[in-house]
Amino acid sequence: NAGVTQTPKFQVLKTGQSMTLQCAQDMNHEYMSWYRQDPGMGLRLIHYSVGAGITDQGEVPNGYNVSRSTTEDFPLRLLSAAPSQTSVYFCASSPAAPTGNTGANVLTFGAGSRLTVL
Amino acid sequence: AQRVTQPEKLLSVFKGAPVELKCNYSYSGSPELFWYVQYSRQRLQLLLRHISRESIKGFTADLNKGETSFHLKKPFAQEEDSAMYYCALSVRRGSTLGRLYFGRGTQLTVWP
Repeated sequence: NAGVTQTPKFQVLKTGQSMTLQCAQDMNHEYMSWYRQDPGMGLRLIHYSVGAGITDQGEVPNGYNVSRSTTEDFPLRLLSAAPSQTSVYFCASSPAAPTGNTGANVLTFGAGSRLTVL
Repeated sequence: AQRVTQPEKLLSVFKGAPVELKCNYSYSGSPELFWYVQYSRQRLQLLLRHISRESIKGFTADLNKGETSFHLKKPFAQEEDSAMYYCALSVRRGSTLGRLYFGRGTQLTVWP
């Protein structure tokens, strides 16, 4: 059971380049999300999805796109990278049954992807 | 507007001393609160959640709706408790899980 798998672990981009951070989970979780972690800022939610075909914006969505074509995958796209997007990115998932499952909200995190934009 | 406030970026205590990591939240609905922890070179993981009222690794946290707080406490800190601790608030949209907001984190260091 791999849990939440993120690739790549490290990436260096030049300003203006595009790339996709991959996230896959094998736990049949409905809810998936992307966070960025910056010193002094904690974790900030970028985008999230409550199921295949359904996505919504978080706190800091600008400059990022997501899609959810399958339950397992939730890629994060940077269309035109900027130095302000230098960060560590975490993907996380949870069961998120909508009817009060007490375990529904517990997030399982990936190992993180460290992105540097020059 | 920040929904979760952790006022201390850094907190240091000696081994055996009590420790309290503060968390205050802002939410008009019924809150669901969590503490997550990130040990050095490990993934972020759930420490505890208010709904289960459990004690994990000697840590407890009580939801105080009047003070809108969810402080994390441990009576006797251990060196292995050194980590980054995040308080998190779950905000629902309608009947489904919506967003999980995190505070800025508190780096706890326990000295021998």
